[in-house]
Amino acid sequence: GEEVAQTPKHLVRGEGQKAKLYCAPIKGHSYVFWYQQVLKNEFKFLISFQNENVFDETGMPKERFSAKCLPNSPCSLEIQATKLEDSAVYFCASSILGQGRNEQYFGPGTRLTVT
Amino acid sequence: QQQVKQSPQSLIVQKGGISIINCAYENTAFDYFPWYQQFPGKGPALLIAIRPDVSEKKEGRFTISFNKSAKQFSLHIMDSQPGDSATYFCARGSAGGYQKVTFGTGTKLQVIP
Repeated sequence: GEEVAQTPKHLVRGEGQKAKLYCAPIKGHSYVFWYQQVLKNEFKFLISFQNENVFDETGMPKERFSAKCLPNSPCSLEIQATKLEDSAVYFCASSILGQGRNEQYFGPGTRLTVT
Repeated sequence: QQQVKQSPQSLIVQKGGISIINCAYENTAFDYFPWYQQFPGKGPALLIAIRPDVSEKKEGRFTISFNKSAKQFSLHIMDSQPGDSATYFCARGSAGGYQKVTFGTGTKLQVIP
């Protein structure tokens, strides 16, 4: 498709529960990025993939966060044992190599609320 | 993580006026400076971008000015319209489509009739 799709739109989890978010990148795009946007608009980069391989994971809190991009499946971001501070909107973006503009197309986001 | 400093935090402009948002960066090892526009409940969308070897780029009512020596760049929205009301983010990254984008802190623009 021509848009990045993210599911679910909203997710509510009790503290300590697991949360799993999904992203379908634009067909043909080989790079997928996950960002976290917290209440004050601050974006934090989490992880990126080149196809199914992790490309840059410098932003991932590895003790509770994990992510995958498997062939022929949506990419996923999983948070084990959610904490209140994980409440945020999680955006997935995809891009295609070589366009020279670094244009990352963002999905509509998943709003995670941890109670 | 190296930051991109953005100001002002919020801006109110009358319809037809010029909206100006400023950003400053620290590290010169980046070759791509995009601006994103985000409406409530939506993901950010690329508005316009510039490389540091260009001092100005214009697309319609939107212009980026880039001052490499001062490590500053700005977005000018000419003839601002109520439909421009959104949050604007400057950012830095690397050309090529594969590097993460580091965002500024955002400017909430409101254009009043």
